[in-house]
Amino acid sequence: NAGVMQNPRHLVRRRGQEARLRCSPMKGHSHVYWYRQLPEEGLKFMVYLQKENIIDESGMPKERFSAEFPKEGPSILRIQQVVRGDSAAYFCASSQTENQPQHFGDGTRLSIL
Amino acid sequence: GEDVEQSLFLSVREGDSSVINCTYTDSSSTYLYWYKQEPGAGLQLLTYIFSNMDMKQDQRLTVLLNKKDKHLSLRIADTQTGDSAIYFCAESINNNDMRFGAGTRLTVKP
Repeated sequence: NAGVMQNPRHLVRRRGQEARLRCSPMKGHSHVYWYRQLPEEGLKFMVYLQKENIIDESGMPKERFSAEFPKEGPSILRIQQVVRGDSAAYFCASSQTENQPQHFGDGTRLSIL
Repeated sequence: GEDVEQSLFLSVREGDSSVINCTYTDSSSTYLYWYKQEPGAGLQLLTYIFSNMDMKQDQRLTVLLNKKDKHLSLRIADTQTGDSAIYFCAESINNNDMRFGAGTRLTVKP
């Protein structure tokens, strides 16, 4: 099954630590999107990347959050100095081109102690 | 309004039809989507409709689009217990700007 792969599925961090979330898009997909889902809420767009480029980061918090999609390897969402409010499910999606439907991974559930 | 809106809960009996409604925000949205999320899982793309269509049918699923009212609905015929999940409506303008509703939690009673 060559779906969108996210790891880890669950991540626990203490306040002040760093969290790294990984996403491998579907085979043949070069467009990656990150979303955050708070409990009992829908998904909120964070960032849209193509290989080596950030296309739209209008949903990313200005501080502590960064994302990359290198030429080789998965896309990484990095959260520095995590706080309790960062606890959420983070979903990655990919699409083949800009105008194709997005397919989602199973998410990473981040818990901050 | 600024948000994609959905009712939060829907309960039906097994074998009945379910209709989940959604109001979206932008009349220039090009694609409208329905995703299904089961507990602990990601979002599964169920179906989508282009904005120049009024209806799309795919097996037990029927999507209706009313562009004038910016209203989208998902009908599930012969609802089964396996259909119990959260259903998200989403709109896309350029596909890199997707807005999701808060989800409708469908409960199917035997």
